[in-house]
Amino acid sequence: GAVVSQHPSWVICKSGTSVKIECRSLDFQATTMFWYRQFPKQSLMLMATSNEGSKATYEQGVEKDKFLINHASLTLSTLTVTSAHPEDSSFYICSARGQGLVSGANVLTFGAGSRLTVL
Amino acid sequence: GNSVTQMEGPVTLSEEAFLTINCTYTATGYPSLFWYVQYPGEGLQLLLKATKADDKGSNKGFEATYRKETTSFHLEKGSVQVSDSAVYFCALRSETSGSRLTFGEGTQLTVNP
Repeated sequence: GAVVSQHPSWVICKSGTSVKIECRSLDFQATTMFWYRQFPKQSLMLMATSNEGSKATYEQGVEKDKFLINHASLTLSTLTVTSAHPEDSSFYICSARGQGLVSGANVLTFGAGSRLTVL
Repeated sequence: GNSVTQMEGPVTLSEEAFLTINCTYTATGYPSLFWYVQYPGEGLQLLLKATKADDKGSNKGFEATYRKETTSFHLEKGSVQVSDSAVYFCALRSETSGSRLTFGEGTQLTVNP
């Protein structure tokens, strides 16, 4: 079935550095990618939506220069947290929508998430 | 705007106990409602859904009924198993939001043998 591989699952970095999180769609073409952020004991908050080959659309209050999203191909989207600070520590989850390569059915699949800790 | 409120966790049950996780929502129009499950180390997986009032979604022994009058979509299972231990998320998708989902806070369920 349709799978989204998200990497890394866990990353620790120093304050001021940048971190890149990747999401790859397997067995389907991800025409749209959603990036969520989850704080402890809170719901997933949508950060941005990106369509392949287009600029991402950010939700209100999300700094687009801070959270760079690239969706250059139908199988890969990346989220880069630039100049990370401790308050950026969170759980980031991607979700991809597309069509299955075999079934042709519409799919909406989530990655396993990436836990970012900024020291 | 849209919002989803879930029963606060964590919830700890013994095997074969009855499970209810409450979920209520606020949305305009007629949203679609979902329950997602996240097992440790894995991504969210769709557990069940309902797209209109009085619909009942069911899967793997779990059920939830779309109640428009009470704006609720409570998740139930008659007899839980250890393998049901996971985080459960209630979510909605409004008529105007495309594939964008609004999630509840998630409820951690632990089932002990």
